[in-house]
Amino acid sequence: GENVEQHPSTLSVQEGDSAVIKCTYSDSASNYFPWYKQELGKRPQLIIDIRSNVGEKKDQRIAVTLNKTAKHFSLHITETQPEDSAVYFCAARPYNNNDMRFGAGTRLTVKP
Amino acid sequence: DAGITQSPRHKVTETGTPVTLRCHQTENHRYMYWYRQDPGHGLRLIHYSYGVKDTDKGEVSDGYSVSRSKTEDFLLTLESATSSQTSVYFCAISEGVDNEQFFGPGTRLTVL
Repeated sequence: GENVEQHPSTLSVQEGDSAVIKCTYSDSASNYFPWYKQELGKRPQLIIDIRSNVGEKKDQRIAVTLNKTAKHFSLHITETQPEDSAVYFCAARPYNNNDMRFGAGTRLTVKP
Repeated sequence: DAGITQSPRHKVTETGTPVTLRCHQTENHRYMYWYRQDPGHGLRLIHYSYGVKDTDKGEVSDGYSVSRSKTEDFLLTLESATSSQTSVYFCAISEGVDNEQFFGPGTRLTVL
């Protein structure tokens, strides 16, 4: 099955700086790559996703890039704010397959 | 938040006892999922359902069973709970296999 690795496990940045979280996947059949944000004690919530037919997607301060050849994708958060502090999870899922695999998570701390 | 509720939200039980967790949705989504979340592992799929009475195993299905007798309800049963099943359990729903998954609020289960 698919294996997703996520780095770093913890990340601390100053408010206003950028944050980058990277994930690699093993199954070349994977074609859907979501990113979830989970605040302490809350449910995971989708913040952005990308499908394998595009290389980059942006939504305000958040962007995701995908390199299918190298089998890695990254989350970029610009102009970080304290409310961006949370655990972020990447995931990968093959087309028409319910078996979505998650990375272990990155705890992002944005210091005021 | 999508119309997903989980019950109970917290449960403490003893090893060897049966436990049933309930996920209820009001979105009429076809797909429902059960995940467990443990430190260092992200979210791992236990079982999923693609319709009434249609279920299949996920990555970590041993020790768990599920049932879906109505579109809106998906039950997860631990026939004989073990300490290794202490975890936070999340239900998720999606319209289709390639659509976004929405998560419920979670159930924290402690097996003593």
